[in-house]
Amino acid sequence: SQTIHQWPATLVQPVGSPLSLECTVEGTSNPNLYWYRQAAGRGLQLLFYSVGIGQISSEVPQNLSASRPQDRQFILSSKKLLLSDSGFYLCAWSRPDRGRTEAFFGQGTRLTVV
Amino acid sequence: QKEVEQNSGPLSVPEGAIASLNCTYSDRGSQSFFWYRQYSGKSPELIMFIYSNGDKEDGRFTAQLNKASQYVSLLIRDSQPSDSATYLCAVKGYSTLTFGKGTMLLVSP
Repeated sequence: SQTIHQWPATLVQPVGSPLSLECTVEGTSNPNLYWYRQAAGRGLQLLFYSVGIGQISSEVPQNLSASRPQDRQFILSSKKLLLSDSGFYLCAWSRPDRGRTEAFFGQGTRLTVV
Repeated sequence: QKEVEQNSGPLSVPEGAIASLNCTYSDRGSQSFFWYRQYSGKSPELIMFIYSNGDKEDGRFTAQLNKASQYVSLLIRDSQPSDSATYLCAVKGYSTLTFGKGTMLLVSP
């Protein structure tokens, strides 16, 4: 069966510090991978998605970046965090069948920038 | 800009009643439709998906899709207090999943 791991679960970082969140998927090959952010009281905002190694699409311009160094590894980074980067970050995967596939989420990382 | 709209609620129903959650979407090219349940502080959990017009039933849950009206709904029969959560509607086009902001459901004992 497929599983998705995301860490850390919680993170408190000062403004201006760097960020690295990691997500890995097991039990499947060539998944589509996604990073979402959910701010307090708001919906899920798609930040990045990837359909393959090194292939990253950005949905929202911001000070965040994403990388996919391996087939089942997806990393979200920032060089300098802003207060507005606080939120619940969720990694998700779906099968590489365009259209009719559901997405499954990791447990999420709650980031507080202070 | 692809949009998915949901009433934020809260929708309050008594235990044992039917809860009806609604969602509209803007992208006519959308191919698949999902309902996720999210408990406070937790990640979303998939509970239903539907691809074709009509109804799809799974236990106490029924998803309804009307592509002509660009409308998706979720019915929860015999609602339980444990169903109290935020329900997210999601719509998928070519490769990305767009979410609504969710409807909070409160089921009172």
